[in-house]
Parts: sequence; C-alpha cells; structure tokens
Amino acid sequence: AQSVTQPDIHITVSEGASLELRCNYSYGATPYLFWYVQSPGQGLQLLLKYFSGDTLVQGIKGFEAEFKRSQSSFNLRKPSVHWSDAAEYFCAVAGWSSNTGKLIFGQGTTLQVKP
Amino acid sequence: DTGVSQDPRHKITKRGQNVTFRCDPISEHNRLYWYRQTLGQGPEFLTYFQNEAQLEKSRLLSDRFSAERPKGSFSTLEIQRTEQGDSAMYLCASRQSSGAHNEQFFGPGTRLTVL
Repeated sequence: AQSVTQPDIHITVSEGASLELRCNYSYGATPYLFWYVQSPGQGLQLLLKYFSGDTLVQGIKGFEAEFKRSQSSFNLRKPSVHWSDAAEYFCAVAGWSSNTGKLIFGQGTTLQVKP
Repeated sequence: DTGVSQDPRHKITKRGQNVTFRCDPISEHNRLYWYRQTLGQGPEFLTYFQNEAQLEKSRLLSDRFSAERPKGSFSTLEIQRTEQGDSAMYLCASRQSSGAHNEQFFGPGTRLTVL
C-alpha cells in the first residue's frame, strides 16, 4: 500500500539554524513527490515537487529537497530558518502510474522557530 | 482573487444535522479533489471529479457523504446525519488534468465542528 511517513511530529529550531525535515515513502512504482506547507488559517501551499531528473530540487522560500531512491526518502532542507517558517509541513506522494493525481500525505511535522 | 475558495470557512452543527460545503475551483481547472484533515493528521483523499464526473471515491466516504459537481465548475460536499467523528477540516483542491504531476491548488478549508 502507498504510504508516507514523517518520523518527526514536532521540531524546534533556532532562527538562523539549518533545518531538515524527514520524509519516507512507500510506493511500488516511480513516485511523484511533494512538500506542502500549511500555516494557521491558510490553505496548503506547494513548496516544491520532484518528478524526474536531478534528484536535488529547489523550491520557494529557500527550501530544497533531495530524492534518494535507495532510501525511499525525500527530505526537506533549508540552510537558515526564519521565524516566518514556523508552520506545519506535509510530505505527499502521487502515483506516476495513476492518472487520478490524488495525493497521499504524511501526518505532518510542526516546525517551531525559537528567536 | 483567482485561487480556490471554500464556503463556509467554519461550521458548527449539532449531531444528526445535515451540512453542505461549497468549493469553487480555479476556473480553468477541470479536476477537483476533496480531502479531509483531522487534528494532528495529514489530509486524506475523499473523492475527485474530472469535469462533472465523479471518478473515484475513498472508502472514507461513507453513504452519509455525497459530493456533486453538476456543471463541472463548483462542487458541493454534503454530510447527512452528522456524527462527532465527522469533525474535521474539509479541504478542496483543483488542478488541470493534463500531466499527472500538475500541482494541486488548495483552498483554505471548511472547519466542521459537530457537537
């Protein structure tokens, strides 16, 4: 069965520190992978996506993620966190072989930023 | 504003009542998705439409739930005889159908509280 695991439910980092949010997926075929961010009262906003090609993808707001097929991982990184990055982050997978486009989400990681 | 909109943003109802939510997708998007998000969890797929056709329904969508997209534009999600377990955020998303990797754009959600 398709699934996404985000092992860290809650992470706290200091402003200016680096950040890595973990994501592992289980999918039998080539996955499409996404990272979304959700701020309170806001809808989900796409940070970045991976389909093929270069395994290091750049996104908005200074985020990047690296696809590692051997580890079934798609971890999100940012070199220097800003207070405005405090939010909930979701990793999601969509099936390449499925035409539905439906997303399967992890349970999310809540990021808290200390001043 | 050309984003996805949802109405109402909040709904409080008593157990056993019926509720209906509306989603207006981005106008040129022919795919429309409904997800449900409970506290501390990632969104879970409920159903999706391509134009007016409902093409897939999750097992989460019990017979008390019905969704429509009568003219291929806006969609409604109705819950009959609400239960406390229906309390959740209901998210709508839309995208173009061409290309399985096209981004889904999410609305702000309707938060349902069943007393």
